Amino acid sequence: AQSVAQPEDQVNVAEGNPLTVKCTYSVSGNPYLFWYVQYPNRGLQFLLKYITGDNLVKGSYGFEAEFNKSQTSFHLKKPSALVSDSALYFCAVRDGSSASKIIFGSGTRLSIRP
Amino acid sequence: DAEITQSPRHKITETGRQVTLACHQTWNHNNMFWYRQDLGHGLRLIHYSYGVHDTNKGEVSDGYSVSRSNTEDLPLTLESAASSQTSVYFCASSKWPGSNGELFFGEGSRLTVL
Repeated sequence: AQSVAQPEDQVNVAEGNPLTVKCTYSVSGNPYLFWYVQYPNRGLQFLLKYITGDNLVKGSYGFEAEFNKSQTSFHLKKPSALVSDSALYFCAVRDGSSASKIIFGSGTRLSIRP
Repeated sequence: DAEITQSPRHKITETGRQVTLACHQTWNHNNMFWYRQDLGHGLRLIHYSYGVHDTNKGEVSDGYSVSRSNTEDLPLTLESAASSQTSVYFCASSKWPGSNGELFFGEGSRLTVL
């Protein structure tokens, strides 16, 4: 069965510093991996995805994520955090072998202090 | 522009009443999903559909039902609402094949069961 773990409920970073939001996954086939962001009282918005190819994928708002197959991880990163990056971030995974459902992690609240 | 809309955005009901949350998408996506979002649990999949007349149970389907009579709509019904079903509900859609499973979310429906 697919599963996703986000080990940190909250991550606090000072503006201008690099940030990392952690995610590990478990799937039976090749993984399709996603990051979504949720702002208050809104639905989730797609940030980026890994399907195949380069292990470092770039997405919206300057975010990037690194796929590590041996560690089954897909950590979200940004070189320089902005206060406006403060939001709830979700990692998600789909088994790449079929049109299967997407499973989400429990979410990590990112707080950027000025 | 294509979109996905949920209604009502807010609803308060009483224990034991039947409640239906509507979801309508104009993306012409064949896949549609219902998730609930609760603190500490992230998003959990309730039901999903891969096309007209197709429905499948997710990880927390007890007490919920869906039907898919056309491509655009996937209403979620709570047959007899319980206080444990107080939550924020999100509908999402994706295209398959032809995409990598990226989900498009509605703005959410906040349900309170008293």
